[in-house]
Amino acid sequence: GQQLNQSPQSMFIQEGEDVSMNCTSSSIFNTWLWYKQDPGEGPVLLIALYKAGELTSNGRLTAQFGITRKDSFLNISASIPSDVGIYFCAGPSGSSNYKLTFGKGTLLTVNP
Amino acid sequence: GAVVSQHPSRVICKSGTSVKIECRSLDFQATTMFWYRQFPKQSLMLMATSNEGSKATYEQGVEKDKFLINHASLTLSTLTVTSAHPEDSSFYICSARRPGLAYEQYFGPGTRLTVT
Repeated sequence: GQQLNQSPQSMFIQEGEDVSMNCTSSSIFNTWLWYKQDPGEGPVLLIALYKAGELTSNGRLTAQFGITRKDSFLNISASIPSDVGIYFCAGPSGSSNYKLTFGKGTLLTVNP
Repeated sequence: GAVVSQHPSRVICKSGTSVKIECRSLDFQATTMFWYRQFPKQSLMLMATSNEGSKATYEQGVEKDKFLINHASLTLSTLTVTSAHPEDSSFYICSARRPGLAYEQYFGPGTRLTVT
């Protein structure tokens, strides 16, 4: 199946700082999704990307679909304490039925 | 919106008993739902794909007789953990794919299963 490498594994930042994380795949994707998971909750879809080069924002979050179609980036500007959580990238698993494969996640900690 | 609910949110059961978890898409019809399992500090592991009106498709290594999936309507899928054992204790999360939105999956809040 598809392999997703997500980095960094974890980040510790101060409130107000900007954050950047990325995801790379072993093969070309036609879709990238970014999710956030709070402790004890299900993941919430943040941004969906469908075109190479696409740059999409959702509030303070911006995600980009890499030109090579093998990577994606998520940036968070002016972080706040509620940004704490695990961020997952996801893309098509390569099989039918629209299955997704997930990265291992980036754990974000924001110090107030 | 795309709201998915799960019930129960937490369940504790004794070893050997069965537990049913419900997943509902509240504001859209989902022909495809997915069941995931998540261990602490790990990513989501897909267990099976639930298709309305047909048999579920299980991932390699997932016992279909142990994890029974039923997708009887366009808004409801159920996962039954049969003859549960302590090693089945985990966080189970369902998701639903919204028709027309390709790969976007919307997740339920998860069910924490503890088998004693």
